[in-house]
Amino acid sequence: DSGVTQTPKHLITATGQRVTLRCSPRSGDLSVYWYQQSLDQGLQFLIQYYNGEERAKGNILERFSAQQFPDLHSELNLSSLELGDSALYFCASSQTGFGANVLTFGAGSRLTVL
Amino acid sequence: GENVEQHPSTLSVQEGDSAVIKCTYSDSASNYFPWYKQELGKRPQLIIDIRSNVGEKKDQRIAVTLNKTAKHFSLHITETQPEDSAVYFCASRDDKIIFGKGTRLHILP
Repeated sequence: DSGVTQTPKHLITATGQRVTLRCSPRSGDLSVYWYQQSLDQGLQFLIQYYNGEERAKGNILERFSAQQFPDLHSELNLSSLELGDSALYFCASSQTGFGANVLTFGAGSRLTVL
Repeated sequence: GENVEQHPSTLSVQEGDSAVIKCTYSDSASNYFPWYKQELGKRPQLIIDIRSNVGEKKDQRIAVTLNKTAKHFSLHITETQPEDSAVYFCASRDDKIIFGKGTRLHILP
């Protein structure tokens, strides 16, 4: 157990639907990152939060949104789902939001869109 | 935007031989270069990292070298073992941590 908790582990839904993925960072970590990993693909950076504020943004679609709450947990909202959104979504956390910070990954949430 | 290119995408080496994976980055402001290992069905985990003020770092059988002028860095695994089979990701950081597309390493018996 890495200390980063992601729920749900698996999620199956239909096109056009909306889902929310949840992440609790490791105790003491202030920054949360979201990555998308499609089949045989690398880790695509979506977005990063630090202490409740958006810190950096990657190629996140407009249909996707995220936030980090005062208790530091984060949620990634995916709406108007398409088949191509099927992927493994990883959350990672680090102590600070910059510099030489080790990312600790959660186990991921596997989303299947049918 | 920032970009990290990683080669090769697949690498097969005989057990006991060495493996080298190379990455190049585009943002000259990048100052931190970690390597992550992802075993099948598991989460990525850090195996080694290097900061921009260091040219080489070693930890037992793994080492990383950095050439800031050429903007490339490499992972070296010596005396490879079956448990080294995994996907390896390089990354670079300026304000974002951007990963390469990964290298699938197969260790052949």
